[in-house]
Amino acid sequence: DAMVIQNPRYQVTQFGKPVTLSCSQTLNHNVMYWYQQKSSQAPKLLFHYYDKDFNNEADTPDNFQSRRPNTSFCFLDIRSPGLGDAAMYLCATSREPTGKLAKNIQYFGAGTRLSVL
Amino acid sequence: GDSVTQMEGPVTLSEEAFLTINCTYTATGYPSPFWYVQYPGEGLQLLLKATKADDKGSNKGFEATYRKETTSFHLEKGSVQVSDSAVYFCALSAKTDKLIFGTGTRLQVFP
Repeated sequence: DAMVIQNPRYQVTQFGKPVTLSCSQTLNHNVMYWYQQKSSQAPKLLFHYYDKDFNNEADTPDNFQSRRPNTSFCFLDIRSPGLGDAAMYLCATSREPTGKLAKNIQYFGAGTRLSVL
Repeated sequence: GDSVTQMEGPVTLSEEAFLTINCTYTATGYPSPFWYVQYPGEGLQLLLKATKADDKGSNKGFEATYRKETTSFHLEKGSVQVSDSAVYFCALSAKTDKLIFGTGTRLQVFP
């Protein structure tokens, strides 16, 4: 009953070679997130989409891009991976909260572990 | 700004021991606390949540009570198992579109 699916689970790329990670969801949530998580650290939000509206975090490097062609799919593109980009990348979804008391429950995929050689 | 502070790990326990992982926060507005668990090599799973003051979230033997007066959401379990070994993240939804995570606490349970 996987609801947020990330492919592949493990990705190996070469220094400087573009790579794309994918995420799909069956929850029909309109908000999708991409996080980067390095070893022994908390997830760090890179960007998120409200429907097709893209919201970039201020400290996300330009090397990271994203596409969301439809509600179900979202992609993370790393244009020129460096050694420091080796990490677990997590996709999450949520339903857009409404009202000041609405709560943001995020549902995560299993992640893609990226290695850069 | 809004922040979450949780106790540092690792926490090492024997099977059937009592577990407490402390979590406190600072936030404005109407924050909601969560606990997420991350098993080795996996993504984050929602463990439990609370939506208003004095709510007690519970799941899989874990409990946490949202104490607004002390701005805390401590995680407890009466009897841990080896299978509970994981990293536990306290998180806060203080604004409607983002989660604020604590640094995570690694729990290691030995038979």
